[in-house]
Amino acid sequence: KNQVEQSPQSLIILEGKNCTLQCNYTVSPFSNLRWYKQDTGRGPVSLTIMTFSENTKSNGRYTATLDADTKQSSLHITASQLSDSASYICVVSAGGNQAGTALIFGKGTTLSVSS
Amino acid sequence: EAQVTQNPRYLITVTGKKLTVTCSQNMNHEYMSWYRQDPGLGLRQIYYSMNVEVTDKGDVPEGYKVSRKEKRNFPLILESPSPNQTSLYFCASSGQGATYEQYFGPGTRLTVT
Repeated sequence: KNQVEQSPQSLIILEGKNCTLQCNYTVSPFSNLRWYKQDTGRGPVSLTIMTFSENTKSNGRYTATLDADTKQSSLHITASQLSDSASYICVVSAGGNQAGTALIFGKGTTLSVSS
Repeated sequence: EAQVTQNPRYLITVTGKKLTVTCSQNMNHEYMSWYRQDPGLGLRQIYYSMNVEVTDKGDVPEGYKVSRKEKRNFPLILESPSPNQTSLYFCASSGQGATYEQYFGPGTRLTVT
């Protein structure tokens, strides 16, 4: 069964600190892996998209890594800010090159950054 | 401004009263999709459309209908809403191709009493 598991479920850190969120997946065939940021009550916003051949991708203070062999991904946030408080969702796309089919969503990690 | 819009943003209705949530995108995207998000369950796909007149079921299609008569619009129809359809709904769109970025709408919070 295709699954995406995220850990931790929630995390509280102090402003300015770094943190790493984890995503493990059992999705086959693998097409790509995405990380989204979702502010409370708003739609998710894409942070990174990585294909099988990419093992790291950055977007400002966000850096995602992908290990296709172990089927693990991480999202590292550097020098956290209060505005980083949000839910972070890992999404794995199964299948071929068609957009959007068989998107497997993780349940998200809720990050709270405090001052 | 490139965006996905949804209307209404908030809706309270009663069991059995048909309703439609509209979704529109201005990016000329072929692909559109509807999701519902519930606490502890994350986002789940209801229906998706690869292009005009092409729609398919997602993971939780029961109780929902969709149509794609125009490229820009993808309405979600609840013929006979029930309380278990109380949820936060998101519409999304993207271009074709597996790595195209998916853009989400602002969400519609539906309460069925």
